[in-house]
Amino acid sequence: KNEVEQSPQNLTAQEGEFITINCSYSVGISALHWLQQHPGGGIVSLFMLSSGKKKHGRLIATINIQEKHSSLHITASHPRDSAVYICAVTDKLIFGTGTRLQVFP
Amino acid sequence: GAVVSQHPSWVICKSGTSVKIECRSLDFQATTMFWYRQFPKQSLMLMATSNEGSKATYEQGVEKDKFLINHASLTLSTLTVTSAHPEDSSFYICSARPADGYTFGSGTRLTVV
Repeated sequence: KNEVEQSPQNLTAQEGEFITINCSYSVGISALHWLQQHPGGGIVSLFMLSSGKKKHGRLIATINIQEKHSSLHITASHPRDSAVYICAVTDKLIFGTGTRLQVFP
Repeated sequence: GAVVSQHPSWVICKSGTSVKIECRSLDFQATTMFWYRQFPKQSLMLMATSNEGSKATYEQGVEKDKFLINHASLTLSTLTVTSAHPEDSSFYICSARPADGYTFGSGTRLTVV
């Protein structure tokens, strides 16, 4: 069993839909990260969380330390949101397998 | 924001040759950099942690003699894939922690033919 599990693995949405990606982990962590990887491979760090909730534009990330669970939400999804979203935990960076999101117009 | 510049973005090399990948922190000093490898449709895997002025720390199963890491300055870390073989073909990416969170290089796609 992976130490960081994401669901779903693949997600297809229509433009405008509200999207949720989930991440569960089984190790102790100092922080949880949400990353976005574009088709070319480049990675952008979206959020670093150790508690509560963070919001940036249409993206919202939450974490429940007791339940060892985090969610990434995208409101009013857009085709440009199409990417692989990766959850990772630290201290030692352990990555989830990613969620491939495709948003169609 | 903090930027890590990675070069080259892609490289094709012949089997048996060596390839050097560079990562530079452009507007901050990085005493530590991280090197990852990603095979198609798989997750990123940490290969090694590069420490300025000292030896790198390799993850289990990563051959330190094959993947040479040098972190000679506070702004530059290099990964050299020595005697590359087709099975080394992968996406290699580095990251650093400037202050808050991680900043990633743009990655290097290595194809060994």
